[in-house]
Amino acid sequence: QQQVKQSPQSLIVQKGGISIINCAYENTAFDYFPWYQQFPGKGPALLIAIRPDVSEKKEGRFTISFNKSAKQFSLHIMDSQPGDSATYFCAAAHETSGSRLTFGEGTQLTVNP
Amino acid sequence: NAGVMQNPRHLVRRRGQEARLRCSPMKGHSHVYWYRQLPEEGLKFMVYLQKENIIDESGMPKERFSAEFPKEGPSILRIQQVVRGDSAAYFCASSPLGQGTGEQYFGPGTRLTVT
Repeated sequence: QQQVKQSPQSLIVQKGGISIINCAYENTAFDYFPWYQQFPGKGPALLIAIRPDVSEKKEGRFTISFNKSAKQFSLHIMDSQPGDSATYFCAAAHETSGSRLTFGEGTQLTVNP
Repeated sequence: NAGVMQNPRHLVRRRGQEARLRCSPMKGHSHVYWYRQLPEEGLKFMVYLQKENIIDESGMPKERFSAEFPKEGPSILRIQQVVRGDSAAYFCASSPLGQGTGEQYFGPGTRLTVT
């Protein structure tokens, strides 16, 4: 019940295209859903996050869409750039019980020039 | 404002030795989390600490692993009698005091190699 499932495992997109990564969770107690970006040899960097009181959040080229009834959320990267090439992790947490993050398996994104 | 600092960045230990990983949270943060990332896998929660308290250690292996976050100084993750399966990247994250927020900021990690 603690799992977060992420897909696809890898994704190749052309420069200027839209990258879409999907996640699904089981635990209905989760109430915080961040996305992290990780470059090789680096730590994960918080990219954008959403809470269940909204269905969408946009920051620059990054958008989270959230579907509470389906227990799914997704990351959209608009106008993808080669510099976006990295591994992306979705995560979920139950803030009132300590906020430990449960991570998805990761998606390796490659944006071709 | 310096970010989360971890040292060493790389650590090589022989089987049976002890590994000590250090984490200094961001200034003003008193919540520390440790995660482990095995090769080609996602991050797995290990332990959540506040100053002088272990809040949640449900992700810690039952033996050989321990963590502390003293009143003064960095948080330390200690692995005794390391085995090859302990080879991984260990990340520390910190969160602000009192916010109860899930926002966690990660350090660069310590890459442990057990030979």
